[in-house]
Order: sequence, then structure tokens, then C-alpha cells
Amino acid sequence: QVQLVQSGAEVKKPGSSVKVSCKTPGGTFSRHAISWVRQAPGQGLEWMGRIIPSLRVINYARKFQGRLTITADKSTSTAYMELTTLRSDDTAIYYCARHTYRVLSNWFDPWGQGTLVTVSS
Amino acid sequence: QSVLTQPPSVSGAPGQRVTISCTGSSSNIGANYDVHWYQHLPGTAPKLLIYANNNRPSGVPDRFSGSKSDTSASLAITELQAEDEGDYYCQSYDSGLSGSVFGAGTKLTVL
Repeated sequence: QVQLVQSGAEVKKPGSSVKVSCKTPGGTFSRHAISWVRQAPGQGLEWMGRIIPSLRVINYARKFQGRLTITADKSTSTAYMELTTLRSDDTAIYYCARHTYRVLSNWFDPWGQGTLVTVSS
Repeated sequence: QSVLTQPPSVSGAPGQRVTISCTGSSSNIGANYDVHWYQHLPGTAPKLLIYANNNRPSGVPDRFSGSKSDTSASLAITELQAEDEGDYYCQSYDSGLSGSVFGAGTKLTVL
């Protein structure tokens, strides 16, 4: 069973940055992308961006451009999500997910266990 | 505000059938992008329920089914069980936004 394992919960001050990791099984990067999705308290799922390590392609949702950096370390099969200039409304559970992409079709499965990021002064 | 519209809530008694709609537009579902569905139960990670409109991943009961037509899609759940209670999200791709999009989610209550 494929498992994505994320780093632990973080508490950050407004204006600071957070970096969350997502360890994937070997071989994931050769055939799949990794996407990051967040869920703020009481809100729905929000796609943030993705990386296709094999193609060195990175796409960000417009809302996060300039504040979000997604990277991947092929040597450790680990993806990273770094969000800068944190605000209180960035408090959320952040999920990584294996992203299968096809022409006209792309979906997320499986998902990591989620990482709670709390932004508070 | 999501570009995919779902009803905020649906409910049904055990054993009944419920459907959840997902309405998009010409830049997503209507542009022939596939629709996928996720189940998100409290305290757990989202789980893929239906991919590419009407396909069930291994392990998902056949009580769950999906369909797509024009600019909308639907998730049907038959033989409703208490364990089905949770949030359900549709997801597709939007060419105007150049990225994946989710519906706002539908809370399923089993009465």
C-alpha cells in the first residue's frame, strides 16, 4: 500500500515561513506528480500547486504565486512545500498527495496524513 | 468561492440512496475535463472515491458511483450506512485558472 508520510505539526509567527516535507515511496517521482492541498478550519479543500519531478515542471495556483515554493529531492523521494510571509489565515492542515496526470484528467491518490500549521502571534 | 458548485449538505436514512451534484462551466467540466470525487471523514486524510468520472479505485464499494454530463457531474451513494457520514468533494481541472479545482464540499448526514 502506497503511503505518503508528512512532517509534524508546526506553530509559526505571522510573517515567518514554514516548510513541510512529504516522503514518498521510491519510484513515485518517475511516474507521478506531487500536489499540495490545504484545508483551513471550517473550509473546504484548496489546491495549492504541484511538481512533476521527472519533467522538472512546477505549477502554482495563482493565489499562492510569489509565496509558495514546491521542490522535490529525487535522492530521498521527498517533496517539500514552503510557504512564506505567513498570515493567520494560513492556519490550516496541509496535505501532500500523489498526483496522477493524464490528458484532460488528473486526480489525487493517495494522500499524506496531513500537517497542521498554526500561525499565531 | 469555488468554480465547482456543490450543495452544502445532503442527508438520508440508512439504506437509502443519495446523490451529490457538482456543477461547473465551459472552462472545466464542460471543456471535457474529468471529474473526481473524494470522501473526507473527520480526523482522516481525504480518500479518492471515484476517478475519471465513473471509475472506482480498488477497495471502494460499488455502492458509490459517478456520472458526468455536459457541465455537471454527480456522485450517487446507495444503501447508505452510518460510516458514510462525512464531507464529499468533487475535483476537476480549470483551463482559465490553469490548475486543479475542488468544489466547496457537501456534508452528508446519515439520519
